[in-house]
Amino acid sequence: ETGVTQSPTHLIKTRGQQVTLRCSSQSGHNTVSWYQQALGQGPQFIFQYYREEENGRGNFPPRFSGLQFPNYSSELNVNALELDDSALYLCASSFAGAAGNEQFFGPGTRLTVL
Amino acid sequence: QKEVEQDPGPLSVPEGAIVSLNCTYSNSAFQYFMWYRQYSRKGPELLMYTYSSGNKEDGRFTAQVDKSSKYISLFIRDSQPSDSATYLCAMSYSGGSNYKLTFGKGTLLTVNP
Repeated sequence: ETGVTQSPTHLIKTRGQQVTLRCSSQSGHNTVSWYQQALGQGPQFIFQYYREEENGRGNFPPRFSGLQFPNYSSELNVNALELDDSALYLCASSFAGAAGNEQFFGPGTRLTVL
Repeated sequence: QKEVEQDPGPLSVPEGAIVSLNCTYSNSAFQYFMWYRQYSRKGPELLMYTYSSGNKEDGRFTAQVDKSSKYISLFIRDSQPSDSATYLCAMSYSGGSNYKLTFGKGTLLTVNP
């Protein structure tokens, strides 16, 4: 069974630029959630994708957008980067329809905005 | 008031000690409760998963949920240096909506040999 993978591992961008982060979900999972984790904080929910559609969104501006593909992999896009966007971006996969809500995380992409 | 409160520590204990980690929450709609372990610069790893109130044991780890007090705990027995990590509590709603997790801030634990 393949776990959740994310790419790239690290990324350095400058203010105003755009970035795309990628995630491959765990085998058998059909739902992907994205979280932002600032240094010393718990992860904050950005949004979730199920059946290629957004299935809930946290308190993040529209410049945070995403996609889910037919193979359940996903992208997170952030436009007009700000310094405060520097964080660890985590992708989590799960199976919709399961009784609970076990989400399994990837290793994350560390984004630094200069 | 934050939905989930967790003492960030840091917490330092000797090897072999019993560790108690706790979270409180304000939203009574939470039904699923999780504990994640996160090593430095890594993604969170699911440790324990509990539905509603009660206890769950897995090896050296015990998770407790008291919904009447809106309080959850994780106990680690015979702690090991390899347990040194940040422990995050997380919770979500019921209904199989497969919705977002709401996390605490995390508690940094160091187990000293």
